[in-house]
This record gives sequence, structure tokens and C-alpha cells, in this order.
Amino acid sequence: GIQVEQSPPDLILQEGANSTLRCNFSDSVNNLQWFHQNPWGQLINLFYIPSGTKQNGRLSATTVATERYSLLYISSSQTTDSGVYFCVPLPSGSRLTFGEGTQLTVNP
Amino acid sequence: SAVISQKPSRDICQRGTSLTIQCQVDSQVTMMFWYRQQPGQSLTLIATANQGSEATYESGFVIDKFPISRPNLTFSTLTVSNMSPEDSSIYLCSVEDAQGYEQYFGPGTRLTVT
Repeated sequence: GIQVEQSPPDLILQEGANSTLRCNFSDSVNNLQWFHQNPWGQLINLFYIPSGTKQNGRLSATTVATERYSLLYISSSQTTDSGVYFCVPLPSGSRLTFGEGTQLTVNP
Repeated sequence: SAVISQKPSRDICQRGTSLTIQCQVDSQVTMMFWYRQQPGQSLTLIATANQGSEATYESGFVIDKFPISRPNLTFSTLTVSNMSPEDSSIYLCSVEDAQGYEQYFGPGTRLTVT
């Protein structure tokens, strides 16, 4: 199956800082989603982004499918951004496979 | 998008017992998925549930341990049978949107087995 590598595995920020999370994947995909799992365990859809760039408030994401990577940008981070961020690529005809994610902690 | 609810939100159970988790979606969907997230781990797909057919289980998961029902296009249940402390996890259901692109997750059921 497809391999997903997210970096960094852990990230600690001060409130207000910016960050970039990276996701490399091993095979071509026709779908890619970014999720945020908050400290209560709920998974929140951030982006559906098989290619190109999207922005939603302080967050934006870019996927370069031909080079098999995706980036998630978080600007002016807030404590509520803490949690685990999952990049989940979906190859054609397959099902979601979660990697280990990036654990983000934003300190006040 | 899809709005998904799960019951119960959390439970503490004794070993050897069984717990049934319910998943309700606000729209008709073809495929529903059940995931497990063990403490400190990522999500693992347990099975895919289609209405009117047997669930398809992933490697390492069996129907006797995790029986699934899918009686209609908006509802599914997952039973965790003969529980042991190793079953302590968050169990999440998810659905695909109508176009089959995005997946949406329920709030999860946090299970502790003592």
C-alpha cells in the first residue's frame, strides 16, 4: 500500500508563530485530505486537496501531486491549533490509510 | 458534507463483556467505515460496511470479534465482543461524501476496558 511520511513528527510553537507541515507519499493519488484531530479525539476536515493550493483563514495547503508531496501552512498559530495533523492520500481504488501524523503543541 | 453522530461517546466496560457502538449519518451514504485508534497510535481501518452486504474486514480484524450491521443507508453499528483491556481505544465511524471524494468522521467513542 501507499506509504505516508509526515514531518516533523512533533512540533512545539509559541502562540503567534507560523509553521509548515510536510507530507510525502509513495504513489500517485487521486485524493488527499488533511485532518486535524483535536485533543478530545475528534477528526476535523481541513482540506480536500488532490492538487493545487487552497486557503481557509489562517490555514492553507498545497499539493504537488507530480512530486508526491503536500504542505500544510499554519499562520499566527493559536492554542486551539494543538492536536495531531494527518495527511491522508488516497490512491485510486483504495481506502484511506493514516500515517503517524504531526503532533502540534501551541503554548500560550 | 455529512453530519455524523455516535453513541455512546464514551464507556467503561468490564473485560469479557460486549459493547455496541452506533453511528448515524444525516444523509444516505453508500459506504461507511469503522476505524480504531489505540492510545498514542494512528487510525486503523477495521472494516467497510455497505448496506445489504457483509462488511469487508481488514487484515487482523475478524467478524466474530467486531460484528457490524448496516441495516440502511444512514445507520451502522459496530460491536466489540468479549472485550479485553487491549480493546481500549477510540472507535470512529466515517462516511464518504456523495461524490466519493471526501471522508467525514464521527466524534468517536472512547472505550476503556477494565
